[in-house]
Amino acid sequence: EAQVTQNPRYLITVTGKKLTVTCSQNMNHEYMSWYRQDPGLGLRQIYYSMNVEVTDKGDVPEGYKVSRKEKRNFPLILESPSPNQTSLYFCASSLSTRIIAGELFFGEGSRLTVL
Amino acid sequence: EDQVTQSPEALRLQEGESSSLNCSYTVSGLRGLFWYRQDPGKGPEFLFTLYSAGEEKEKERLKATLTKKESFLHITAPKPEDSATYLCAVRDPGGGNKLTFGTGTQLKVEL
Repeated sequence: EAQVTQNPRYLITVTGKKLTVTCSQNMNHEYMSWYRQDPGLGLRQIYYSMNVEVTDKGDVPEGYKVSRKEKRNFPLILESPSPNQTSLYFCASSLSTRIIAGELFFGEGSRLTVL
Repeated sequence: EDQVTQSPEALRLQEGESSSLNCSYTVSGLRGLFWYRQDPGKGPEFLFTLYSAGEEKEKERLKATLTKKESFLHITAPKPEDSATYLCAVRDPGGGNKLTFGTGTQLKVEL
């Protein structure tokens, strides 16, 4: 089954404790991206990657890091989480030929709470 | 900065009561407008891509249309399973691959 898998789905952590949210896709997609979704603000892009070893900032990259060492994986790293990073996070992927058509496949989301 | 505004924020319909959701945008040089459906606790699911004014796309009870300033998602004779949040997004007019999303319309269809 074609899918984007995120882990963990739910996490409660404390300020300053480094964490990683993993994202893996099995569709051989070149493009991958991370979004956060907050009430009243909608989906905002954090980082995206056009292919292995190619990453770029989205609209709200502060406080986040990413890496793309393999095509299928695109982890999101919070080096020192703060309460304002409490949010619902989505990973998404697409074929490079389909991203121009806005056709993203989203994971099921990771709800992060930072105390 | 690109602006995507969706209205209404929430809409409650009776089963079979047709209606429309609106997505207005201020992007100059639109390079694509996209509709997604998001069910509670799930990631958004891609529905349609529209590129130019006058274009229409259909899928079951949904029809998306596009003008130079806005897009409409028409829902004909909705059923309870159409209940979801509908998101629209536009593509970065600079030719990049960033999508800017609206905040969505939460649709509830009741029996």
